[in-house]
Formats: sequence, structure tokens, C-alpha cells
Amino acid sequence: QQQVKQSPQSLIVQKGGISIINCAYENTAFDYFPWYQQFPGKGPALLIAIRPDVSEKKEGRFTISFNKSAKQFSLHIMDSQPGDSATYFCAAAKGGKLIFGQGTELSVKP
Amino acid sequence: GAVVSQHPSRVICKSGTSVKIECRSLDFQATTMFWYRQFPKQSLMLMATSNEGSKATYEQGVEKDKFLINHASLTLSTLTVTSAHPEDSSFYICSARGGASYGYTFGSGTRLTVV
Repeated sequence: QQQVKQSPQSLIVQKGGISIINCAYENTAFDYFPWYQQFPGKGPALLIAIRPDVSEKKEGRFTISFNKSAKQFSLHIMDSQPGDSATYFCAAAKGGKLIFGQGTELSVKP
Repeated sequence: GAVVSQHPSRVICKSGTSVKIECRSLDFQATTMFWYRQFPKQSLMLMATSNEGSKATYEQGVEKDKFLINHASLTLSTLTVTSAHPEDSSFYICSARGGASYGYTFGSGTRLTVV
């Protein structure tokens, strides 16, 4: 049973465009929702995170939108750059454990 | 910021041998560390939660006798893959909670290849 569902599996965006990745969860006990960026052969690096009492959080070009009633959250990358090409994972935490989504492979074309 | 160091970054071992992977929190104390396994093009799957001074908690389906975890200090957790087989070849990643508020910091991962 996949507790955190992520889509799309892959995404191609032109340089300067907006990349949007979506995640949905079932368990209302989750209390922390981070997004991670991972480059090949490296560990995940935290991009931005949100708690369920906030509907939106912005840090630079990265924005999380959180819809508690729909149990959905999304990552928006504004002005996408070729250097943003990586795999992105959403996650949800409960009881100290992180549950990851399936990942989205983002490719930003110059 | 919080830094987690993982060593080695790559290891090749022969089938039947054991391999130890170290995970250190460099600038904070971590009472809890986590070990993940990641196959190519797949997500991170939690293997076990490592608790300082006590036994690790393994996720369902993870063999505790095969993946030995030791968390002897507040800054070091080790994962030993015992009697490794080719199917154990994977990317192993540790993480620790600490540094930023409620943050989870990940190590850079260890690529294990069993031949």
C-alpha cells in the first residue's frame, strides 16, 4: 500500500517555465511534508517543507501548496533552470518516520 | 547546517562476505538515525530506525539478522550487510534528525555492489 502517491513520474519543462509536481496522502496523522531533490549517486537534499497548519510556503523559486481537506500537496518550481534537472521526492512524516513518494524525474530543456 | 557523513561512498564485495557502512552526524547529536535502501529509478524504502543505546526497529520484510544495525553513540550508526549476495546490491542511505527544526538530514549514500 502506497501511503504517499506522487505524479507525474517524469516531467519535461522548458527553461524559464514552471515545474509542478503533485502528491497525495491518505493518513491524516502525517504532520510534516518535505520535498527532496536528488541527483544521481547522491543522497536526497531537503528543498522545502511544510506543516499541515499552513496552506502555502515559498522559498526562493520553490513553493509548496498544501490542501489539507483534499490531502494533497504540490511543489512548484518557478523559472525552472537546466540545473534543476534531478529527481524530486515528496515525503510525509509520522511518528518520526518519513514515507516517500515514488519520485519525479524532472528534465529542464535549455 | 546539519551534516551527515556516510562512508564509504562505494564498495564492491564478494558474495558471502560482510560489509559495514558508517553514518555520522558531524555537528549535532542524533538519538535516532534511519537507514534506507534505494534501487535504480525507485524511491527510498525505509529499512530500519536506529536508536542510540537500544535495539534497532526494522520495517516489515527486512531481515534483522542480515542487516545488522549498531548505534553505539549519539553521532554514529553503522549498518552491516552480512553474507552479502548480488540481490543486496543497492544504494544505501542514512539519515538523522537534527540541525534544522524537525529536519531530516541525509548522508550522501553508499553504492554497494556484490559480485
